[in-house]
Amino acid sequence: DAGVIQSPRHEVTEMGQEVTLRCKPISGHDYLFWYRQTMMRGLELLIYFNNNVPIDDSGMPEDRFSAKMPNASFSTLKIQPSEPRDSAVYFCASSYTGTGTDEQYFGPGTRLTVT
Amino acid sequence: GQNIDQPTEMTATEGAIVQINCTYQTSGFNGLFWYQQHAGEAPTFLSYNVLDGLEEKGRFSSFLSRSKGYSYLLLKELQMKDSASYLCAVYNGGSQGNLIFGKGTKLSVKP
Repeated sequence: DAGVIQSPRHEVTEMGQEVTLRCKPISGHDYLFWYRQTMMRGLELLIYFNNNVPIDDSGMPEDRFSAKMPNASFSTLKIQPSEPRDSAVYFCASSYTGTGTDEQYFGPGTRLTVT
Repeated sequence: GQNIDQPTEMTATEGAIVQINCTYQTSGFNGLFWYQQHAGEAPTFLSYNVLDGLEEKGRFSSFLSRSKGYSYLLLKELQMKDSASYLCAVYNGGSQGNLIFGKGTKLSVKP
């Protein structure tokens, strides 16, 4: 398997623009997670899905952020409108089950810069 | 509240042994993970502890004391490629979504 795939790898945009990040999880993994990583706050969980259904979005910072998973092989994280404070690395991860013993496999991340 | 503490940075010498500590206070506990993250790359799984004691995996070992809310990652025979950030993460129960990460310890290995 190719692992978790994310696109784009880098995104530079201006404040106010819409940004869409994409993720393809590992085939057969039922759980998909979106994280944001910054120096100040570390790695934070934004939202996660089980079998394409959003389970917990309490980590989504505000209404400007939305995530969808239309099928088992694709998910998007959208920011509209973007702000400079959204600049971070966004990781998508997937795991086979939702149990605590199951490691998460991370994608390479999308480095977002909002100017 | 949820709190995971790790030292921000550490430096060690090639060939030496280094111990990276992690203390946690979380609303629940059902296991602790260590992930390695090289600069500009994704975190990758290193180890998982759910019972007290030491888990050894090659040059890396991880220890857990649930009563003390404490874990450490031990790296032996350090190599330059071990220079990375090491993230401690606690699974506090329920679904996998309750995985809380520390901010990571940046380890620099010097010749």
